[in-house]
Amino acid sequence: QTVVTQEPSLTVSPGGTVTLTCASSTGAVTSAYYPNWFQQKPGQAPRALIYSADNRHSWTPARFSGSLLGGKAALTLSGVQPEDEADYYCLLYYGGAVIFGGGTKLTVL
Amino acid sequence: QVQLVQSGGEVKKPGASVKVSCKASGYRVSSYGISWVRQAPGQGLEWMGWISASNDNANYAQKFQGRVAMTTDTSTRTAYMELRSLRFDDTAVYYCVAVAATSLDYWGQGTLVTVSS
Repeated sequence: QTVVTQEPSLTVSPGGTVTLTCASSTGAVTSAYYPNWFQQKPGQAPRALIYSADNRHSWTPARFSGSLLGGKAALTLSGVQPEDEADYYCLLYYGGAVIFGGGTKLTVL
Repeated sequence: QVQLVQSGGEVKKPGASVKVSCKASGYRVSSYGISWVRQAPGQGLEWMGWISASNDNANYAQKFQGRVAMTTDTSTRTAYMELRSLRFDDTAVYYCVAVAATSLDYWGQGTLVTVSS
């Protein structure tokens, strides 16, 4: 069974930079997995941030950037704001199947 | 703007079926497929499957095959997800998502389905 792994939790200071990663149990994550990233705040539906590894949606703030890093998909937040405190999920495509990571709880402290 | 409006919450008994609707507006229907994603209380996101808006071609996660059916009605711009033989662990918020190729772009507000005896 394929598993997508994210850091369970991370803490960052306001104004700082943090990188969240997304790994696949099948090996290195490449652009062929079309990584997506989502933000979810308590009581809200998820919101799409990044698609195809490094493409922002029109509504995604520029401080969010996606990349492929060391065999994983990565989401970097630069100049973190208090409102960035949320759960973050990645998603990978495996041919016809889609698997979400377990999510990272980001605390801004 | 793009909106996906889902039907209201449901309470079902084990063994029953539930059908959740998702009405789309603000975009060309043929431009997006619809995925369904669920989230159990306090848990992460789980992809259930996808249906094309243009030809009703559907692809279900292995876990749900045989128990789920996704359909669309282009005349009313509404997608449906029916889950059968409900179990207690099907209690979750179910989301519809507009999908452009490999990008899950727009999310509905979610529908809470509670399975309880």
